[in-house]
Amino acid sequence: QQQVKQSPQSLIVQKGGISIINCAYENTAFDYFPWYQQFPGKGPALLIAIRPDVSEKKEGRFTISFNKSAKQFSLHIMDSQPGDSATYFCAASGGSGNTGKLIFGQGTTLQVKP
Amino acid sequence: DTGVSQNPRHKITKRGQNVTFRCDPISEHNRLYWYRQTLGQGPEFLTYFQNEAQLEKSRLLSDRFSAERPKGSFSTLEIQRTEQGDSAMYLCASRDSYNSPLHFGNGTRLTVT
Repeated sequence: QQQVKQSPQSLIVQKGGISIINCAYENTAFDYFPWYQQFPGKGPALLIAIRPDVSEKKEGRFTISFNKSAKQFSLHIMDSQPGDSATYFCAASGGSGNTGKLIFGQGTTLQVKP
Repeated sequence: DTGVSQNPRHKITKRGQNVTFRCDPISEHNRLYWYRQTLGQGPEFLTYFQNEAQLEKSRLLSDRFSAERPKGSFSTLEIQRTEQGDSAMYLCASRDSYNSPLHFGNGTRLTVT
C-alpha cells in the first residue's frame, strides 16, 4: 500500500530526445506527487510536483502526466540535454493524519548521450 | 535562504562506535525529516519532527538510533553501536508546511568498517 514503483531502472537517450520515466502507486490517499533529480554526492532536488486535481503540469522542459484512475504518473523531459544526466526519483505522500513524509520510488538513472 | 546544511559530509567509523550527525534546516522551516539512502535506492523515511516534537518514527529506526530536535531548530541523529549495515547516506530535509516543497541537504555519508 505504501510502495511507489518506478520504471525503467536506467535509460539512455540521445541529446534532443524525449526521456520518459513512469511511476505507479497503490495508496489512493496519496495527494502530492513530486519528482526529484539527484546528482552524485548531492541530495535530491525538487524538479516539479503535481496534485491529483490536474492531469498535467509543465515547467520548462519538464512535464508531469497524471492518471488518477490508473494510479500512475510520469515525467517527460523534452529536448533532453547531457546536463540532464542524473538519477530521477518519483515520490508520493498524503492521507489522513499523514506527516507529509515522502515515499520514494527506486530511481531511474538517465544518461543523455551527446 | 542558505539551504539545508548537514555535517559532517563524510564519516568513517569502526563497527561498534557511536556516531552523531547534525542537520540545520532552512531557518523558517518547522518541519524536519531524516531519510536514509543506500546505493542505487531511493531515500527511505526514518523520522519526522514538527518543531521540537518527534511525531513519527519508521520501523527502520531501531533502538540504536535516536534523533532529537531541541528548541525546534537544528536536529541530531545518533547511531549507537554502529553496524556495517548502517553504512549509507543520511539525508535531512525541511519544509515550512504540509506538502510544501521539501528541501534536502547534501547528506552525511557514513561508512562503517
